[in-house]
Amino acid sequence: DAGVIQSPRHEVTEMGQEVTLRCKPISGHNSLFWYRQTMMRGLELLIYFNNNVPIDDSGMPEDRFSAKMPNASFSTLKIQPSEPRDSAVYFCASRKRQGPLQNTIYFGEGSWLTVV
Amino acid sequence: AQSVAQPEDQVNVAEGNPLTVKCTYSVSGNPYLFWYVQYPNRGLQFLLKYITGDNLVKGSYGFEAEFNKSQTSFHLKKPSALVSDSALYFCAVSHNFNKFYFGSGTKLNVKP
Repeated sequence: DAGVIQSPRHEVTEMGQEVTLRCKPISGHNSLFWYRQTMMRGLELLIYFNNNVPIDDSGMPEDRFSAKMPNASFSTLKIQPSEPRDSAVYFCASRKRQGPLQNTIYFGEGSWLTVV
Repeated sequence: AQSVAQPEDQVNVAEGNPLTVKCTYSVSGNPYLFWYVQYPNRGLQFLLKYITGDNLVKGSYGFEAEFNKSQTSFHLKKPSALVSDSALYFCAVSHNFNKFYFGSGTKLNVKP
């Protein structure tokens, strides 16, 4: 089975530009998480969705960040406008809320964002 | 509040020797505990978990971990380390499977 798929894998953009990160969760999974990883702060949960509905976005750093999940197989994380301090690795992860594997989250390979 | 502490930034071990990567946790309610491994420029890969039952859990690549409720610990262990085990290891805790709290990570260096 395909894992969590993220795109782009690498993005370099100029300060002030809009950045859109994309995620396709594992088929059949109904919870989706966006994490950010930096050297200084480690892994931070930004937002998570259950059944496409945002449940907790308290980790979203500022109004410049927004996330959507229009359907069960697609989510976006958008930064507008981007700033150099947004440079990080952004991970998407998904989980199946029922069944024998319900309690394990699986990560994508990450989107490596550099804002210059 | 939920939190995880990984007290060692780095662990060095010789190939063939046993390894331990430490993790302690704080959670309200029942703790559900996980270990993940991250290789350079890759995502986090699931290694093992404790949900309930036997305190000793076995996972991928020969790793195991022991849940100790009295010491609120969930240390990762392997009897004989391989150079290929060198990576970044993360402990995580959840109490409801909605939010997972990760430690700061421990870099494992296995030297030949």
